[in-house]
Amino acid sequence: AQKITQTQPGMFVQEKEAVTLDCTYDTSDPSYGLFWYKQPSSGEMIFLIYQGSYDQQNATEGRYSLNFQKARKSANLVISASQLGDSAMYFCALSGGYQKVTFGTGTKLQVIP
Amino acid sequence: NAGVTQTPKFRILKIGQSMTLQCTQDMNHNYMYWYRQDPGMGLKLIYYSVGAGITDKGEVPNGYNVSRSTTEDFPLRLELAAPSQTSVYFCASILKGVNTEAFFGQGTRLTVV
Repeated sequence: AQKITQTQPGMFVQEKEAVTLDCTYDTSDPSYGLFWYKQPSSGEMIFLIYQGSYDQQNATEGRYSLNFQKARKSANLVISASQLGDSAMYFCALSGGYQKVTFGTGTKLQVIP
Repeated sequence: NAGVTQTPKFRILKIGQSMTLQCTQDMNHNYMYWYRQDPGMGLKLIYYSVGAGITDKGEVPNGYNVSRSTTEDFPLRLELAAPSQTSVYFCASILKGVNTEAFFGQGTRLTVV
């Protein structure tokens, strides 16, 4: 079985500051992938970043970076220089055996001007 | 390139009615998924498929059925709709061997009254 956990229901961050959204996972599969998605109030799912379990370096995409600590089974999302448009729900997801993709419960991020 | 297309976008059903949510992708993706998202919650996996003719249950399959007769289509069937099935339904797909992003449809907002 695979499990993904997001323990922060809501977060606030000041505009232009950095913020870290936590994600921990559990899987027995030796090969897996971790995703982060953004869901604004309009409802669509927007892909942000991906990390493979065998990737040696942490993934980065513009202002987004994934702090992957394999031994601790954590895959935290770091957003640098927060913008008002970053206010949204953020979901962490795990792709494990048979490509079953499981999502966490999400973190609601609010950026304060 | 249309990506993942879901129809309808909105639907109101009466208790006990049946309907099929359509999902089509034109990216030749092997893996397809159905999720439901209740208000303020994360995505829960209903069913998924790793290829034509192969489907498997996710976390919350009760009350739903799926089929995958072609690579492109992955319809979700609701039999005997219940108020508990009021939710937003998302279809997603991933290309086998290139697990860097799950592509999502725009969602179907279903209300059962």
